[in-house]
Amino acid sequence: DAKTTQPPSMDCAEGRAANLPCNHSTISGNEYVYWYRQIHSQGPQYIIHGLKNNETNEMASLIITEDRKSSTLILPHATLRDTAVYYCIVSGQSAAGNKLTFGGGTRVLVKP
Amino acid sequence: EAGVVQSPRYKIIEKKQPVAFWCNPISGHNTLYWYRQNLGQGPELLIRYENEEAVDDSQLPKDRFSAERLKGVDSTLKIQPAELGDSAVYLCASSLDHGTSGFNEQFFGPGTRLTVL
Repeated sequence: DAKTTQPPSMDCAEGRAANLPCNHSTISGNEYVYWYRQIHSQGPQYIIHGLKNNETNEMASLIITEDRKSSTLILPHATLRDTAVYYCIVSGQSAAGNKLTFGGGTRVLVKP
Repeated sequence: EAGVVQSPRYKIIEKKQPVAFWCNPISGHNTLYWYRQNLGQGPELLIRYENEEAVDDSQLPKDRFSAERLKGVDSTLKIQPAELGDSAVYLCASSLDHGTSGFNEQFFGPGTRLTVL
């Protein structure tokens, strides 16, 4: 699986959009980009995933560059409850299921 | 719907003692994962089960770690004997895999925080 690079931490103001970058320059054609987050003292939680098209759900939007070497997770209106570690993961899909290889993630602190 | 249940939530033991963690996955989920998460790092996969079969245990330290998933539902992860470096959070996750290529969301439990003294 391709490796990802994320900033170790970032702050965001409550109510503003949070843009979380992720570099995955060695991503291959059949690998997806996944985002999970982990709130303190909880297990990771799935947010969104995509292959090459931009994706949006009730939690966030995922913007993938045309060359697929980087992506941005957007939390449109950050709340205090969005304070968490956000993990960007690149992995292929297979009949055996998805293997998630977590990196260090980005620690996001939403401030009032 | 109940999520992934793990117990205990916290465990403190002395080194060289045995310890066991229990996981009850979401009902109907055929795939179960055990991860270890060291402080300040992301989770690392230890073992993955498809029903009762361990299909990926390449990262499981087999000299002291063992796992089982009898009847393809609940699972137990054991460490014997525990070492100081085993202090970590042990996470269980489950997913419903349909046997074809496609996305299978992993649902995580709250984890068991192990402290080895």
